[in-house]
Amino acid sequence: KQEVTQIPAALSVPEGENLVLNCSFTDSAIYNLQWFRQDPGKGLTSLLLIQSSQREQTSGRLNASLDKSSGRSTLYIAASQPGDSATYLCAALMNRDDKIIFGKGTRLHILP
Amino acid sequence: NAGVTQTPKFRVLKTGQSMTLLCAQDMNHEYMYWYRQDPGMGLRLIHYSVGEGTTAKGEVPDGYNVSRLKKQNFLLGLESAAPSQTSVYFCASSLDGREAFFGQGTRLTVV
Repeated sequence: KQEVTQIPAALSVPEGENLVLNCSFTDSAIYNLQWFRQDPGKGLTSLLLIQSSQREQTSGRLNASLDKSSGRSTLYIAASQPGDSATYLCAALMNRDDKIIFGKGTRLHILP
Repeated sequence: NAGVTQTPKFRVLKTGQSMTLLCAQDMNHEYMYWYRQDPGMGLRLIHYSVGEGTTAKGEVPDGYNVSRLKKQNFLLGLESAAPSQTSVYFCASSLDGREAFFGQGTRLTVV
C-alpha cells in the first residue's frame, strides 16, 4: 500500500528565506507526482507536476524535484513571501491502479 | 472555462438521510476522483473512475456509492448519512493520468 509522508507538518520561516518542503513515498511505481497549494477553506490549486521520467520542474520561484529511487520529492520555494502562507500537499499517481494518494500536507507560515 | 464544479457547496443532513453530491467537469477528462478531507487525516480517496461506466474503490469507500453514467459527471451518494461522514468532500479530474484539477469542495455536516 502506498504511503505518502510530508515532513514537517508545520513550518514557520521569516520572509525572504529560501525553504524546502519534503515529500516521501513508499512505492516507487508512480506515474507522476503533483504538488498542490491549499488556502484555508479553499480547494486545491495545482503548482507543479513531475512525470516519473523527469527529475525536476520549475515555475517562477518554485522548483520541484523527484528521485524515484529514493522515494522522495522536494518543493523548493525561493525568496518566500507572506502570500506563500498556505498548506502544501504532494500527491502520487500510482501506475498499478491509477489511484492518486496524498500526503497530509505541510502548513507553511511566512512571517512578515 | 468552468473546470471542475461541485454541487452543492454546503449541506446539513440529519442522521439517516440520503443525498447525492454532483461533480461535473467540462475538460473531457477520463479520470475522476472523490476525496474527503478531515483535520489531521489529509485527503483520503473514497472512490474513483477511469472512464465512463467504470468505478473503483479507494481507501475509505464504506458508506458511499458512486456512478459515472456520463463522462463529464461523477456522482457520490450517501444512502444513510452518519455523523462520521461530516467532512469536506473534494472532486478531481484528470486526462489520462496527467495533471489533476480539483473542485472547490462541498462542506457536509451530518447532525
